[in-house]
Amino acid sequence: KAGVTQTPRYLIKTRGQQVTLSCSPISGHRSVSWYQQTPGQGLQFLFEYFSETQRNKGNFPGRFSGRQFSNSRSEMNVSTLELGDSALYLCASSLLVGMGTGYTFGSGTRLTVV
Amino acid sequence: AQRVTQPEKLLSVFKGAPVELKCNYSYSGSPELFWYVQYSRQRLQLLLRHISRESIKGFTADLNKGETSFHLKKPFAQEEDSAMYYCALKEIQGAQKLVFGQGTRLTINP
Repeated sequence: KAGVTQTPRYLIKTRGQQVTLSCSPISGHRSVSWYQQTPGQGLQFLFEYFSETQRNKGNFPGRFSGRQFSNSRSEMNVSTLELGDSALYLCASSLLVGMGTGYTFGSGTRLTVV
Repeated sequence: AQRVTQPEKLLSVFKGAPVELKCNYSYSGSPELFWYVQYSRQRLQLLLRHISRESIKGFTADLNKGETSFHLKKPFAQEEDSAMYYCALKEIQGAQKLVFGQGTRLTINP
């Protein structure tokens, strides 16, 4: 079965612009989480969606937002981009939430802000 | 707050030697612990989870609640084990987010 698909793979944006990243989870998976990966901070949790509802949110400014659609696909949006937003953004999906639930990660979207 | 510490950023061992990647955590409740691995140019993938008590690719990890550790071990390292390894913690109840350590880059020398 198809894995977690993230589009686009690469993006270059200018400071002040906004960007939308997309994630299609594994078929049947209802939970989608987003992570930011940078060399300095490592992997940091952004937010998690389950059944179109945001269940958890990390410590990121309000410029970072997301949503989940009825087919479980998710998008994250970053507005007013800053140079520090340059990172690899990873999406992970899981069948359920709760104990024993492993996450399957996508390949990521590499965002470069210039 | 939950915290995961991987004290070694880099670890280099020879092929056939034992390998141990250290992971310590701080969390007041009962956590669920995972090891994730990222091979060169591949996506992050689940290697082990403590509740499964399984051995994957020869790797094992035991949760030691007394020492708050979840070290990853393999008795005989192979060259294909070279990768980036991340230890991660998830609350069993409450926020269903993964908290990752900074990662350890393991290099197996021939």
